Amino acid sequence: KAGVTQTPRYLIKTRGQQVTLSCSPISGHRSVSWYQQTPGQGLQFLFEYFSETQRNKGNFPGRFSGRQFSNSRSEMNVSTLELGDSALYLCASSPSLGAPNQPQHFGDGTRLSIL
Amino acid sequence: QKEVEQNSGPLSVPEGAIVSLNCTYSDRGSQSFFWYRQYSGKSPELIMFIYSNGDKEDGRFTAQVDKSSKYISLFIRDSQPSDSATYLCPPVGAGSYQLTFGKGTKLSVIP
Repeated sequence: KAGVTQTPRYLIKTRGQQVTLSCSPISGHRSVSWYQQTPGQGLQFLFEYFSETQRNKGNFPGRFSGRQFSNSRSEMNVSTLELGDSALYLCASSPSLGAPNQPQHFGDGTRLSIL
Repeated sequence: QKEVEQNSGPLSVPEGAIVSLNCTYSDRGSQSFFWYRQYSGKSPELIMFIYSNGDKEDGRFTAQVDKSSKYISLFIRDSQPSDSATYLCPPVGAGSYQLTFGKGTKLSVIP
């Protein structure tokens, strides 16, 4: 069974640009969450999607947005990139929304570097 | 605000030692407790999860939960150099998969 697939793996952008990251969950998983990981702040929750609806959102500015498609694939978008957006962006999927015995499984992440 | 506290380490132990990793959490509504291992430059990898009070064993790993104290532990028996990683313990509330991560505990197992 294929795991969570994130594309691209690496990305270099400049300040002010925008970027779109993609996540394909494990087959049959309907819940997708996004996290940002930086050396200083650790892993921080961005947002969570289930059935094409955003169910939960972390404390990030409106420049960070996302969506989920009917096949459960998800994208996140960051507009007007800042140097501080350089991070590893991780996507995680699970079969349903917050079931206590269904943990999230992470993809390999997209490493975004802002010049 | 949900918080998770861990001893950030680094924790260094000799190969074969028993390792104890601990977390405290603030949200009394937390129902599930996951342990993830993250190797440097890699994404978090699920080790095990537990969603009730008590113990759960899986191979060399044993997880313990004490909800009254809001305290969770992970024990690693016969530690190996391949166990060298950062360990994360996000609790999960009901109806949401918003994981709250602490800084993690960095473990080094010395051959």
